[in-house]
Amino acid sequence: DAGITQSPRHKVTETGTPVTLRCHQTENHRYMYWYRQDPGHGLRLIHYSYGVKDTDKGEVSDGYSVSRSKTEDFLLTLESATSSQTSVYFCAISDVGTGELFFGEGSRLTVL
Amino acid sequence: AQSVAQPEDQVNVAEGNPLTVKCTYSVSGNPYLFWYVQYPNRGLQFLLKYITGDNLVKGSYGFEAEFNKSQTSFHLKKPSALVSDSALYFCAVRPASNMLTFGGGTRLMVKP
Repeated sequence: DAGITQSPRHKVTETGTPVTLRCHQTENHRYMYWYRQDPGHGLRLIHYSYGVKDTDKGEVSDGYSVSRSKTEDFLLTLESATSSQTSVYFCAISDVGTGELFFGEGSRLTVL
Repeated sequence: AQSVAQPEDQVNVAEGNPLTVKCTYSVSGNPYLFWYVQYPNRGLQFLLKYITGDNLVKGSYGFEAEFNKSQTSFHLKKPSALVSDSALYFCAVRPASNMLTFGGGTRLMVKP
């Protein structure tokens, strides 16, 4: 299995509170991604990074920010969580080339 | 913009029978096509990919997929289903922009 660790794996929080999810990789892959998975929508890209301090928006980036200060860490922050952000969040990594992604185990976030 | 359609929310098949999970796509240029599988409470796992060459691609766990350019399809197949194949399957397409777009997923149920 690819060395990808997501933390926390489960979190319950209240509307309006900030939340940070962490993704840590040991593969030294260039690309890192944050997806959210919701029933009926498959996986949707939130943000991605193509290098340290290089990030860009995905399909559903509103309400989320990211940071990548080191190759191995990619943080996803919800500045003020809303109930619509209740979801399962997946981090993924890939190297350059054909774009095969390796996924973490997911972080289940519940916003009450 | 690229898109992926998985027309069936669920596919039911008896163990030992052949299975097909359908996928069609819309993308400009020559796509890279992928299938991923997700077991309960796990991240997605790569099954197989098509980049170029032979239209029949073989992947993990006995799965294969057939690329059909004229029908813009990339159906996942297996000659003989196992109960352990029961999972959620995602088709994905990647155009030159390097971002994967996922379909909504198809739940495969294999019954003994």
